[in-house]
Amino acid sequence: DQQVKQNSPSLSVQEGRISILNCDYTNSMFDYFLWYKKYPAEGPTFLISISSIKDKNEDGRFTVFLNKSAKHLSLHIVPSQPGDSAVYFCAASVRDDYKLSFGAGTTVTVRA
Amino acid sequence: DTAVSQTPKYLVTQMGNDKSIKCEQNLGHDTMYWYKQDSKKFLKIMFSYNNKELIINETVPNRFSPKSPDKAHLNLHINSLELGDSAVYFCASSQFPYEQYFGPGTRLTVT
Repeated sequence: DQQVKQNSPSLSVQEGRISILNCDYTNSMFDYFLWYKKYPAEGPTFLISISSIKDKNEDGRFTVFLNKSAKHLSLHIVPSQPGDSAVYFCAASVRDDYKLSFGAGTTVTVRA
Repeated sequence: DTAVSQTPKYLVTQMGNDKSIKCEQNLGHDTMYWYKQDSKKFLKIMFSYNNKELIINETVPNRFSPKSPDKAHLNLHINSLELGDSAVYFCASSQFPYEQYFGPGTRLTVT
């Protein structure tokens, strides 16, 4: 039973434009959300996170938005760069729980 | 200097064999994890140890056994390998819940 869903398996965006990645979750107990980035043949690397007490968190070109009522979060990358081409995983956790539930990932391709 | 390392990176073996994957972290973290990424690309937690104590033990065949000799190491031993065990296995570590640091993965192929 997948509690975290990324319904878009892939996204293609032109360099310099905005990339918007979406993630939905079903478990209302989740209160901490993370995005990970993964290059081929490497492990996922932590990108940005957000607690349920916030609705937005920014870190440079990356912004995560959380809509708790809709059980939806999104990652915005502005502007998109060729090095952003990777698989992005959404993950969620219950407070103080070491267990992360991951989505299936969205492959982003940034076109020059 | 690699933060979370795994050996081997690739492992090809026959059905019925027993194999181990080793993981080491030099981040000083108290918690380590094993994940399996299957053919559908889902990352699923298998086990987690906190200071050598098992804290997460998901529904995994008992052919899989984790061992943590100290808090910097978490090994995964798999007995009687089956075709369905073919996957990429990731080790990870964290100091607190949430932000986990992953190793490069071990691609296991069972023939």
